[in-house]
Amino acid sequence: EVQLVESGGGLVQPGGSLRLSCAASGFTFSSYWMSWVRQAPGKGLEWVANIKQDGSEKYYVDSVKGRFTISRDNAKNSLYLQMYSLKAVDAAVYYCARELVRGVMIRDKYSYSYLMDVWGKGTTVTVSS
Amino acid sequence: DIQMTQSPSSLSASVGDRVTITCRASQSISSYLNWYQQKPGKAPELLIYASSNLQSGVPSRFSGSGSGTDFTLTISSLQPEDFATYYCQQNYNTPYSFGQGTKLEIK
Repeated sequence: EVQLVESGGGLVQPGGSLRLSCAASGFTFSSYWMSWVRQAPGKGLEWVANIKQDGSEKYYVDSVKGRFTISRDNAKNSLYLQMYSLKAVDAAVYYCARELVRGVMIRDKYSYSYLMDVWGKGTTVTVSS
Repeated sequence: DIQMTQSPSSLSASVGDRVTITCRASQSISSYLNWYQQKPGKAPELLIYASSNLQSGVPSRFSGSGSGTDFTLTISSLQPEDFATYYCQQNYNTPYSFGQGTKLEIK
């Protein structure tokens, strides 16, 4: 069964740090881009960061640049999100998601579209003193 | 960065109704647009990718269309299990971005 399981969430004080993990199983983890997506309480989805299969490319939303670091260990089938200088606005459920690339025809041209087809159940981060 | 705007933010409808949700991008994103469904307390699930392609296992009552800046998600005949929140998401470039969501409620 294809599965993603997040862990590492918890209560942290403002300015503190936390490391989230995502354990992948049931698929060849090293073949996929992976993303972190978060959802603040009662709010919508916000994409946070993603990482290429070999870890050579990483992208972040502006609000976490310089504070969060995404990484992966393909030998352990694991994705990580190291979070520093946490703020109240970072409080959310954090989901990891697999990015699947699908070849599609767009305007008569063969293109690659990225989609998040497998999601974990999420881990909750609370930032409070 | 690309901003995604959905309308309406909430919608009341009845079982059997045809429903359309709109998503607009702040710049052209070609057809790099995905739709997700999220039920309370659950992770999102992919419905549609590349604007109009139905994800495997998703019922055919769901359909998507559009290109450039304007996109729609249509549910042809609402079923009880369709009452949820729907999000569009662009994958034209990073940072990826989601619409604010459309909550579909039972009338």
